[in-house]
Amino acid sequence: ETGVTQTPRHLVMGMTNKKSLKCEQHLGHNAMYWYKQSAKKPLELMFVYNFKEQTENNSVPSRFSPECPNSSHLFLHLHTLQPEDSALYLCASSQDGGPYEQYFGPGTRLTVT
Amino acid sequence: KQEVTQIPAALSVPEGENLVLNCSFTDSAIYNLQWFRQDPGKGLTSLLLIQSSQREQTSGRLNASLDKSSGRSTLYIAASQPGDSATYLCAVRPHTGNNRKLIWGLGTSLAVNP
Repeated sequence: ETGVTQTPRHLVMGMTNKKSLKCEQHLGHNAMYWYKQSAKKPLELMFVYNFKEQTENNSVPSRFSPECPNSSHLFLHLHTLQPEDSALYLCASSQDGGPYEQYFGPGTRLTVT
Repeated sequence: KQEVTQIPAALSVPEGENLVLNCSFTDSAIYNLQWFRQDPGKGLTSLLLIQSSQREQTSGRLNASLDKSSGRSTLYIAASQPGDSATYLCAVRPHTGNNRKLIWGLGTSLAVNP
């Protein structure tokens, strides 16, 4: 595997379910990011991890819970989501948390029913 | 507050045409600017990154220019092909403050017709 991978690629969940999104990067990077992409809106940065430490949380509701066990893996744990949370969730990585080029995964298309 | 605007929102051209996509930003104090491509339902692929000290970057049939003082960048695609059909996103990295956070445009949806 090369680059940034995300699983699953598609996810349908009910509002009472608990699920997790997974991201893995094979680039030797130290920073990882979660973005949300909704129709008609710019990409929204959700969380940033740099050397496994969370350095940014952009006022994301607590029903989204990130986890970064090491610099290569990033998770987004989901629980009691709302229909408006349906979106494409993108993971990215970069050399570190500085102004470096970000490399994106293919995304997880999430539908909350 | 930095804002990024991309015009047009959608563009349809015949194959072989040269075309220009526009990106404008409100605050000229940027660290760099990046152009991305996104295929439907897919992730983003970085196309070109221009540092604030640069005027342009080229990769194959793509050329991106940057005019910081006027708050504009253009992405020029030469001899367009149907495979160029995608959404093209522009993102600006501010020079001050939290420069980890990219500021994004809404994108231009490009269709190149055979």
